[in-house]
Amino acid sequence: EIVLTQSPGTLSLSPGDRATLSCRTSQRISSNYLAWYQQQPGQAPRLLIFGTFNRATGIPDRFGGSGSGTDFTLTISRLEPEDSAMYYCQQYGTSPPRYTFGPGTKLEIK
Amino acid sequence: QVQLRESGSGLVKPSETLSLTCAVSGDSITSYRWWSWVRQPPGKGLEWIGEIFHDGATNYYPSLMSRVTISMDKSNNQFSLRLTSVTAADTAVYYCASGNDYSWAYWGQGILVTVSS
Repeated sequence: EIVLTQSPGTLSLSPGDRATLSCRTSQRISSNYLAWYQQQPGQAPRLLIFGTFNRATGIPDRFGGSGSGTDFTLTISRLEPEDSAMYYCQQYGTSPPRYTFGPGTKLEIK
Repeated sequence: QVQLRESGSGLVKPSETLSLTCAVSGDSITSYRWWSWVRQPPGKGLEWIGEIFHDGATNYYPSLMSRVTISMDKSNNQFSLRLTSVTAADTAVYYCASGNDYSWAYWGQGILVTVSS
């Protein structure tokens, strides 16, 4: 099973700052297989990035994804108060389990 | 735009069976995509449960495999989750989800299922 590790656990920043969230996988994965989600309290996750780099429909260009191999990054520029949320990375694997999530990073905007 | 809506019992007794249904609108369940279930225990992270493809093929999380069945009802454009022998550890918000490109762009609103006597 591929294990995902996210850092930091919590990130506290100010409006207008830039956030850098890290996701590390225990094995190399294809860049096609890494996605990022945002989850607000009490809501379903929302897909932000798929295939490491690609923004999902309706996601502003303040959100960007990068990385390869075992190290992947979600960057959020020009932070807004509504960016406060949990952020999860997720990978797809060809061996079971097909999908696993990281433990999440809590982003606080104060 | 694909829309998903979960329904089912919000309270299940220990050792009994959890049953949920996901109604799909805006797309046919026979279209070329995987239809998935994901759960989230209160205050915790996300856990993939399993998925079903348009042709009925399924994949499950290994540790749940002996207790999980995902099926589809093409006539009603919906798919279902069945989890047997539940315990308190199965208490969670259950989401149905779907998408392409190895990720899920579409999610239901979630349904809280509590396992308690």
